[in-house]
Amino acid sequence: NAGVTQTPKFRILKIGQSMTLQCTQDMNHNYMYWYRQDPGMGLKLIYYSVGAGITDKGEVPNGYNVSRSTTEDFPLRLELAAPSQTSVYFCASGDSFTDTQYFGPGTRLTVL
Amino acid sequence: SQKIEQNSEALNIQEGKTATLTCNYTNYSPAYLQWYRQDPGRGPVFLLLIRENEKEKRKERLKVTFDTTLKQSLFHITASQPADSATYLCALAFSSNTGKLIFGQGTTLQVKP
Repeated sequence: NAGVTQTPKFRILKIGQSMTLQCTQDMNHNYMYWYRQDPGMGLKLIYYSVGAGITDKGEVPNGYNVSRSTTEDFPLRLELAAPSQTSVYFCASGDSFTDTQYFGPGTRLTVL
Repeated sequence: SQKIEQNSEALNIQEGKTATLTCNYTNYSPAYLQWYRQDPGRGPVFLLLIRENEKEKRKERLKVTFDTTLKQSLFHITASQPADSATYLCALAFSSNTGKLIFGQGTTLQVKP
């Protein structure tokens, strides 16, 4: 099992550009999450999904969009990138039986 | 809104001693509380989960306590080793239907040989 994979690992965007952060899990988990982590801070929930076709906002959803067309994939879309979106983005999948979350390696995004 | 506080200052201890990290929360009691370990440049890794009706959980050298009256969880690492040096994150869930977590800012532990 690869677990949770994220691409790309690093990205630099210019203000106003758009991009999609990819996240895939191979553990057949229903729950998936996107977090952002700013330096020295904990993780903030952006969006989450409890199953294919179902998504909902977290604490900090503004400037982001998600979709969940399959159990495996949960891409995060940034439209009109802003410097405030410079952060490390983590995707996680959740096992609803054990209430455990499994995190990907993260994407480090810089917006200049 | 719910607030979670962990010691923002780094904790420095000598190898072999017990490290104790604190997680305090306000307002409502969570359905369960989790502790994660995060190494620099990596994603968090799950360590332990304790539910609202449990007082204590153990796993090898790790122990978690949960006091809903004090609104506090303590995380202990006994016989600490330099390899235990990392940032430890506390996370609370208020619903088991979604698995949504609210994270503290983390405490960095440094174990000196």
